Amino acid sequence: DGGITQSPKYLFRKEGQNVTLSCEQNLNHDAMYWYRQDPGQGLRLIYYSQIVNDFQKGDIAEGYSVSREKKESFPLTVTSAQKNPTAFYLCASSMTSGGYYEQYFGPGTRLTVT
Amino acid sequence: AQKVTQAQTEISVVEKEDVTLDCVYETRDTTYYLFWYKQPPSGELVFLIRRNSFDEQNEISGRYSWNFQKSTSSFNFTITASQVVDSAVYFCALGGQTGANNLFFGTGTRLTVIP
Repeated sequence: DGGITQSPKYLFRKEGQNVTLSCEQNLNHDAMYWYRQDPGQGLRLIYYSQIVNDFQKGDIAEGYSVSREKKESFPLTVTSAQKNPTAFYLCASSMTSGGYYEQYFGPGTRLTVT
Repeated sequence: AQKVTQAQTEISVVEKEDVTLDCVYETRDTTYYLFWYKQPPSGELVFLIRRNSFDEQNEISGRYSWNFQKSTSSFNFTITASQVVDSAVYFCALGGQTGANNLFFGTGTRLTVIP
């Protein structure tokens, strides 16, 4: 079955630690995205990647970093510089970049930092 | 600027009632796409529909229907004979030439269907 996997579903970290969230897709999509969702709010774009070895900042990139070494994988690192890291993180992919194609989402990772 | 407004924050209906979720958008693009997603309690966003700006025909899929009206910049979503499984947060999104690598999401409408 084609889809997007994110692991783990729940993640707990101590303040000051970096943490990496994984995202893998087997849809053969070129574009991948990371969003953050806070309670009662919509989705805010953190980073996106149109192609391997290339990525761009979204609206709220500060305190986050990404890599795109393989087409299938787009991990997100939440660094200690992110002031409010506790949130629900969603990874998505689309056939190609551009606002014309639907994005398909993974199940999300709920990160709690204490 | 690209903007999507979902003015209804929460809606509650009794099972079997019809319900309409409103979506109003703003864009200067001449070509754009509109989307609806469903987010059940599990958290994963599920794609429901994509419409392009040149096609104003209404669409029906089972109990779901969508009404796209360019004159009022709206793309409303109706669920007929609602069921408990329809309880979720529903997001409307806009994509186009501006900010071409992104979808702009509304803040969502939480629908609760009461048995």
